[in-house]
Amino acid sequence: DQQVKQNSPSLSVQEGRISILNCDYTNSMFDYFLWYKKYPAEGPTFLISISSIKDKNEDGRFTVFLNKSAKHLSLHIVPSQPGDSAVYFCAASARNYGGSQGNLIFGKGTKLSVKP
Amino acid sequence: DSGVTQTPKHLITATGQRVTLRCSPRSGDLSVYWYQQSLDQGLQFLIQYYNGEERAKGNILERFSAQQFPDLHSELNLSSLELGDSALYFCASSVATGTRHNEQFFGPGTRLTVL
Repeated sequence: DQQVKQNSPSLSVQEGRISILNCDYTNSMFDYFLWYKKYPAEGPTFLISISSIKDKNEDGRFTVFLNKSAKHLSLHIVPSQPGDSAVYFCAASARNYGGSQGNLIFGKGTKLSVKP
Repeated sequence: DSGVTQTPKHLITATGQRVTLRCSPRSGDLSVYWYQQSLDQGLQFLIQYYNGEERAKGNILERFSAQQFPDLHSELNLSSLELGDSALYFCASSVATGTRHNEQFFGPGTRLTVL
């Protein structure tokens, strides 16, 4: 049973336009969410994160929005650049019983292609 | 470059064999995580070590085992290999465990092919 779902395997956008990548989760205990970017032949790299006490976090061209009631988060990239072409993974974690942050649960990823 | 190194980059072996994957975490990182990424699958968490001790277990098969050594490098041992074990295996490291940010730095991965 997938706790973190990225329902779009791929997304293609034009350079300069907005890219919106979506992620849904089922576990209401998740309280921290991260986005990772992965280029071919490389490991994933951390992009941006958001705590459940916020509904938005912005870092340059990247903004993550969290809708807790819908158990949905999205990553917006504006403006999109060809170098953004990569696979984007959504990940979530919940606090353990002892209060520490638990391990990351990843979605299957969305492959973004930004066309010049 | 994340600072996490993994060797080898590629590994081709036969069913029934045993292999060892190696990971060196970023300097100063005490936590090491192992993930498996099969075709069309997300990253599946296998196991975590913190300062030499097992901290958490995920979907790790009994045929697989791991350890973290005093110098903090880690090895993932895969035995009695099956065709379905063919995958990318990633190692990640973080400063501590259970930190608020839980940001993990990933190595480039080892691609295992079982024939």
